[in-house]
Amino acid sequence: SQQGEEDPQALSIQEGENATMNCSYKTSINNLQWYRQNSGRGLVHLILIRSNEREKHSGRLRVTLDTSKKSSSLLITASRAADTASYFCATLGNTPLVFGKGTRLSVIA
Amino acid sequence: KAGVTQTPRYLIKTRGQQVTLSCSPISGHRSVSWYQQTPGQGLQFLFEYFSETQRNKGNFPGRFSGRQFSNSRSEMNVSTLELGDSALYLCASSFRTTGTDTQYFGPGTRLTVL
Repeated sequence: SQQGEEDPQALSIQEGENATMNCSYKTSINNLQWYRQNSGRGLVHLILIRSNEREKHSGRLRVTLDTSKKSSSLLITASRAADTASYFCATLGNTPLVFGKGTRLSVIA
Repeated sequence: KAGVTQTPRYLIKTRGQQVTLSCSPISGHRSVSWYQQTPGQGLQFLFEYFSETQRNKGNFPGRFSGRQFSNSRSEMNVSTLELGDSALYLCASSFRTTGTDTQYFGPGTRLTVL
């Protein structure tokens, strides 16, 4: 069964806008990771946030983690057409990575 | 440093056949994991190998098997293929076990079962 659940399932925005995706999970974790996948290809690792961290930045990406609410959010600022992809959160606890079903982001130029 | 490579990239098989997929991890990585991705079930963990030993196994039938060689390269085998096995099979490698490290994914093998 899926652990991480992303919300929304699909998101369409204009280039230059910010995109926010949320992820909820069920059990305790060691860390949470976000991945991007372009059109049925391999996954690209974006960012890892550990359970004792609350916020992390990487370029235009900002990830937050709230372990009390078992949730995380990924913010992409100043989006570009090239950001069009599916985004997955994956949780790592006592079992290997468990992925949600992803958020499909479309950035319209 | 070269990334994770998977071969072949595309495969078409018929029901009842078997198939072997190959994965070469990033140099120095000793952990290799396999995932199946389908539109209906999403990304599901198949198994993980570390230093030639299977460390974890997902909830898949025994038709799905794998192994890892001393050079960390891994293969997975699916016997008696079913239509539902059509999927993108992704391999990921990490330096240590999946419990600690970021996993780096290959481009995947697209398997179509007719």
